[in-house]
Amino acid sequence: SSELTQDPAVSVALGQTARITCQGPSLRSYYASWYQQKPGQAPVLVTFGKYGRPSGIPDRFSGSTSGTTASLTITGTQAEDEADYYCGSLDSSSDRLGVFGGGTKLTVL
Amino acid sequence: QVQLQQWGPGLLKPSETLSLTCAVSGGSFSGYYWNWIRQPPGKRLEWIGEVSQSGSVKYNPSLKSRLNISLDMSKNQFSLSLRSMTAADTAMYYCARSTIVLNLEYSFDYWGQGTLVTVSS
Repeated sequence: SSELTQDPAVSVALGQTARITCQGPSLRSYYASWYQQKPGQAPVLVTFGKYGRPSGIPDRFSGSTSGTTASLTITGTQAEDEADYYCGSLDSSSDRLGVFGGGTKLTVL
Repeated sequence: QVQLQQWGPGLLKPSETLSLTCAVSGGSFSGYYWNWIRQPPGKRLEWIGEVSQSGSVKYNPSLKSRLNISLDMSKNQFSLSLRSMTAADTAMYYCARSTIVLNLEYSFDYWGQGTLVTVSS
């Protein structure tokens, strides 16, 4: 089973702030990365590390971590942000294997 | 711009071996890890395994006994072989590049387009 836990669904009003969380013991050691996946498409990296955001990703997407909980915040959520969001990291074993959360379906109302 | 282009069969029979290849263009193999990730229909992403530039591999323990990931730097390609396929292995399979910075920041920054693999008799 995955070591990263996400809420299955989050809803947000258009233009408001959405917050999606990811919990897991390995997040004390490694930052989470966040991926946006729209239907029929490959995941896209939206945030990584402490403050990282790939080029081309709007600055309304930001990541943060507190203890064993990582958060993806979308400020001023747009209709096109409706998607599934997955957190990813390394697990807490000595082998440092890749791991993903279960995903959160973001609905923009 | 880094691009990952993958290919392989879309339909397999139970007990057959899945072979997928991912070609990397626009970037170096050096300093990165090369991964396979899958996603059963309607389900979560599952990390399958990785190969490094040196050929060192790490595998998901649940797949380790059936899995082989290899790298061919002369062709800028890496490959997956998964034996004894069953219906439970039906999924979209993605190749992806990962990077780790300062031993703290791990992410998959480039992905292939995905290959839908169906296992059915």
